[in-house]
Amino acid sequence: DAKTTQPPSMDCAEGRAANLPCNHSTISGNEYVYWYRQIHSQGPQYIIHGLKNNETNEMASLIITEDRKSSTLILPHATLRDTAVYYCIVMRETSGSRLTFGEGTQLTVNP
Amino acid sequence: GAGVSQTPSNKVTEKGKYVELRCDPISGHTALYWYRQSLGQGPEFLIYFQGTGAADDSGLPNDRFFAVRPEGSVSTLKIQRTERGDSAVYLCASSQQGTGNTGELFFGEGSRLTVL
Repeated sequence: DAKTTQPPSMDCAEGRAANLPCNHSTISGNEYVYWYRQIHSQGPQYIIHGLKNNETNEMASLIITEDRKSSTLILPHATLRDTAVYYCIVMRETSGSRLTFGEGTQLTVNP
Repeated sequence: GAGVSQTPSNKVTEKGKYVELRCDPISGHTALYWYRQSLGQGPEFLIYFQGTGAADDSGLPNDRFFAVRPEGSVSTLKIQRTERGDSAVYLCASSQQGTGNTGELFFGEGSRLTVL
């Protein structure tokens, strides 16, 4: 699975959009981009995934560049409860859902 | 229950002892995963079950670690002759199926193991 690069930490003001970047320049054609988050002392939580089209669900939006070498997770109106470590993961569709977590981005939402 | 359940939530043991950690997946989920997370790091894959069989155990660090899922539901992670370096949070996850575009895993809250 391709390697991902994320900033170690980011801050965001409550109520504002949080834009979390991820680089995956070695992604191949059959690899999906997944985002998970982990709130302190809890297990990771699935957020969203995509292949090449932008995706939106009730939690977030995922924007994938046309060349698929990077993506951005957008939390449109961040709340204090969104403070967590956010993981960007690239996974082949045939890998049996074995997720390889990096160190992620610690997002802190400030009041 | 509605989610993945792991017991115990906390376990303190002494170096050299044997430990079992239990995972109760979401009902009907055929795939089950064990991960280990050390402080400040992302979760690290250990083993993946599809039904009763271990489809991928390449993440188990050595032969002191073993996991079973005899009836395709509950799984037990077993650690023999524990070492201080085994101290971590052990996470279990399950999913509807383990192949194809199914990266949506449901994680439990983990079992925190401390080896003194």
